[in-house]
Amino acid sequence: GENVEQHPSTLSVQEGDSAVIKCTYSDSASNYFPWYKQELGKRPQLIIDIRSNVGEKKDQRIAVTLNKTAKHFSLHITETQPEDSAVYFCAAGGYQKVTFGIGTKLQVIP
Amino acid sequence: DAGVIQSPRHEVTEMGQEVTLRCKPISGHNSLFWYRQTMMRGLELLIYFNNNVPIDDSGMPEDRFSAKMPNASFSTLKIQPSEPRDSAVYFCASSLGGGLNTEAFFGQGTRLTVV
Repeated sequence: GENVEQHPSTLSVQEGDSAVIKCTYSDSASNYFPWYKQELGKRPQLIIDIRSNVGEKKDQRIAVTLNKTAKHFSLHITETQPEDSAVYFCAAGGYQKVTFGIGTKLQVIP
Repeated sequence: DAGVIQSPRHEVTEMGQEVTLRCKPISGHNSLFWYRQTMMRGLELLIYFNNNVPIDDSGMPEDRFSAKMPNASFSTLKIQPSEPRDSAVYFCASSLGGGLNTEAFFGQGTRLTVV
């Protein structure tokens, strides 16, 4: 089955700086790569996703990149704000289901 | 739509007791997922259904766990007998399904504590 590794496990940045979270996956058949944000005590919610026919996708301050050859994908958050503090999960999957990474706890310091 | 609805939000039970968690997916969604979240193991997929049929239950930890989806608007996850190591947050999620992997919408979760 799919195996997703995510790092770092924790990340602290100053407000306004950028944050980068990286993931690798093992199954070359995976073609869907969502990112979820989970605030403390809340449910995970999708913030952005990318499919294998696309190398990069942006949505305001958030961008994802995908390197299918290397089986790497990354989340980039620019101009971080305190409300970006949360746990971020990457995931990878093919038909219908995804496998999640272990999560990255991001702390944005005002 | 009110989103994915789970009940109860919190459950405290004694070891050996039966626990039943409930989920109502978003209307029109064809895929339903049960996840378990712990600090050590993150979000683990236990089982998922497509059109009410269990497709993959390889994540179910052992025979003490069972899940059903009797109709398109209701699913249960049962643990019998429960053990302290089952303590976790259990999430139900649903998605459109239909063969294309799409956004999963999560419920609020059930925090289970087995003492």
